[in-house]
Amino acid sequence: NAGVTQTPKFRVLKTGQSMTLLCAQDMNHEYMYWYRQDPGMGLRLIHYSVGEGTTAKGEVPDGYNVSRLKKQNFLLGLESAAPSQTSVYFCASSFRDPRRTIYFGEGSWLTVV
Amino acid sequence: ELKVEQNPLFLSMQEGKNYTIYCNYSTTSDRLYWYRQDPGKSLESLFVLLSNGAVKQEGRLMASLDTKARLSTLHITAAVHDLSATYFCAVVGGSQGNLIFGKGTKLSVKP
Repeated sequence: NAGVTQTPKFRVLKTGQSMTLLCAQDMNHEYMYWYRQDPGMGLRLIHYSVGEGTTAKGEVPDGYNVSRLKKQNFLLGLESAAPSQTSVYFCASSFRDPRRTIYFGEGSWLTVV
Repeated sequence: ELKVEQNPLFLSMQEGKNYTIYCNYSTTSDRLYWYRQDPGKSLESLFVLLSNGAVKQEGRLMASLDTKARLSTLHITAAVHDLSATYFCAVVGGSQGNLIFGKGTKLSVKP
């Protein structure tokens, strides 16, 4: 039972490089989210999607782009990485049902040098 | 704009003692979540609270929700070392149901 899978789990980037984080869920969830977690800041929402082909900005969207071409996948892109984007990134997914449990992936550790 | 505040942010407890973590939020919401996170790990769902007066219990943890006061509590009874972790509350806000997190409470239970 895979649940929510994130790849890669660890990555070191140089400033200015680009990369994409992939989130895949096998639970047929409509909603998907990308969060970043920084020490003392809790989790902050970057972007989210309420269905295939739709995305929206969260609390801290600057410097990131997302795409949801397939229902099961939610991609987070960094076009030109900056040291301020060093963080742990979590993907999450859920059903639309208001009683939904929101499931989180294992996290992706990104360091920008 | 929805804001979620937890307190305390750090909590050091002795085994066997009771304590409460508080979660306040700034705008109306009828859904609140509690999560646990161990160091270097993902978030584990503990409770989903859906209505005013909701109370849920699992082992030594009990969560409650007062939507009128915009307050949730996570009560720890007779703490044990295995409960050491960071606990987050998160509140659903906005028209799309975004989940906004508090900063977390780092709990350390000492013998």
